[in-house]
Amino acid sequence: KAGVTQTPRYLIKTRGQQVTLSCSPISGHRSVSWYQQTPGQGLQFLFEYFSETQRNKGNFPGRFSGRQFSNSRSEMNVSTLELGDSALYLCASSLDPGLAGGQYFGPGTRLTVT
Amino acid sequence: AQRVTQPEKLLSVFKGAPVELKCNYSYSGSPELFWYVQYSRQRLQLLLRHISRESIKGFTADLNKGETSFHLKKPFAQEEDSAMYYCALSSVNSGYSTLTFGKGTMLLVSP
Repeated sequence: KAGVTQTPRYLIKTRGQQVTLSCSPISGHRSVSWYQQTPGQGLQFLFEYFSETQRNKGNFPGRFSGRQFSNSRSEMNVSTLELGDSALYLCASSLDPGLAGGQYFGPGTRLTVT
Repeated sequence: AQRVTQPEKLLSVFKGAPVELKCNYSYSGSPELFWYVQYSRQRLQLLLRHISRESIKGFTADLNKGETSFHLKKPFAQEEDSAMYYCALSSVNSGYSTLTFGKGTMLLVSP
């Protein structure tokens, strides 16, 4: 079974631009969660989607948004990029929401904002 | 609010030495705790969860509710154990669970 895939793997953007990251979950997994990983703050929960609906959201500004499609693939968008948005963005999928221990992580997208 | 603390950023030991990676948490509800591991150039993966009380790759972790701790232990460290280890707490908020991670401890096992 193929693992969680994320595209692109690396991205360089300029302050003020917007960016869209994509995540394809493991086949059959219906829940997708997004995390931001930085050296200073570690791993922080962004949001979780299930059945095309955002089920849970972390403490991030409205510039961070996401969506999920009917095939469970998910995208996250960051608008008006700031330097502090530079991070590794991880996506994780699970069969159902709330299966924290059943989450499988993707390799991440490394976003650099200049 | 829930919180996970891993007091050590780096733990360096020699092969064969015992290892204990510390994790403390604060959560008003009934905690569900996990250890995740990230080996060099690999993705984050689940190592073990307190519910299953299992031993994975020689690692064990016991939930101590009195001390609000979930330390990860291994009696004899191996070089291949070198990795980043994250303790995580699953908490329920408005009916949905969220994983809160500690900032991680880098374990370096030297020959």
